[in-house]
Amino acid sequence: DAMVIQNPRYQVTQFGKPVTLSCSQTLNHNVMYWYQQKSSQAPKLLFHYYDKDFNNEADTPDNFQSRRPNTSFCFLDIRSPGLGDAAMYLCATSRDLSGYSYNEQFFGPGTRLTVL
Amino acid sequence: GIQVEQSPPDLILQEGANSTLRCNFSDSVNNLQWFHQNPWGQLINLFYIPSGTKQNGRLSATTVATERYSLLYISSSQTTDSGVYFCAVSYFGNEKLTFGTGTRLTIIP
Repeated sequence: DAMVIQNPRYQVTQFGKPVTLSCSQTLNHNVMYWYQQKSSQAPKLLFHYYDKDFNNEADTPDNFQSRRPNTSFCFLDIRSPGLGDAAMYLCATSRDLSGYSYNEQFFGPGTRLTVL
Repeated sequence: GIQVEQSPPDLILQEGANSTLRCNFSDSVNNLQWFHQNPWGQLINLFYIPSGTKQNGRLSATTVATERYSLLYISSSQTTDSGVYFCAVSYFGNEKLTFGTGTRLTIIP
């Protein structure tokens, strides 16, 4: 089945130790997103890739970076995790058919990050 | 930006009951999605419904775009329906999804 896959499902890191979360998709979608979701809150968009074009949200901290080496994979790098970065990180994809609308988004299972 | 409000914020029901969840939005939209977030945190797509009515088993949804609201109906609730239900929208000129605050549904056996 076509899907969005995230690895690992659970990640524990130490304060200040860089960590990378990965997302892959078999849907062949051209848009990929990273969201952060803290407890009892709605998901918050960090950034997205439209094809190879990176689009950062204005309030995303510089501590968060992303890479998309090809259509199928996207990575979230947290350079120096703080205690406040503990959260669920969700990857999503969508297919833009018209160059105009991003259309329906499909989410992966998420990676729950713990910072010690 | 667009505002998305969901009601009620919390809902506790007995197994077998029916429920209606509401999503109000403040501007015209070109995308509206309903999600169920299960206890493990995964967001499950329920409906992509910028307008009209759709049904999938015990679930159905209606969006009245001209009046800027959408309803999610759950019939004959089961314990596995428990979780948080999110409505999310996007609109022309800003195609990124804006999420509502969610409705937490608890189904009691």
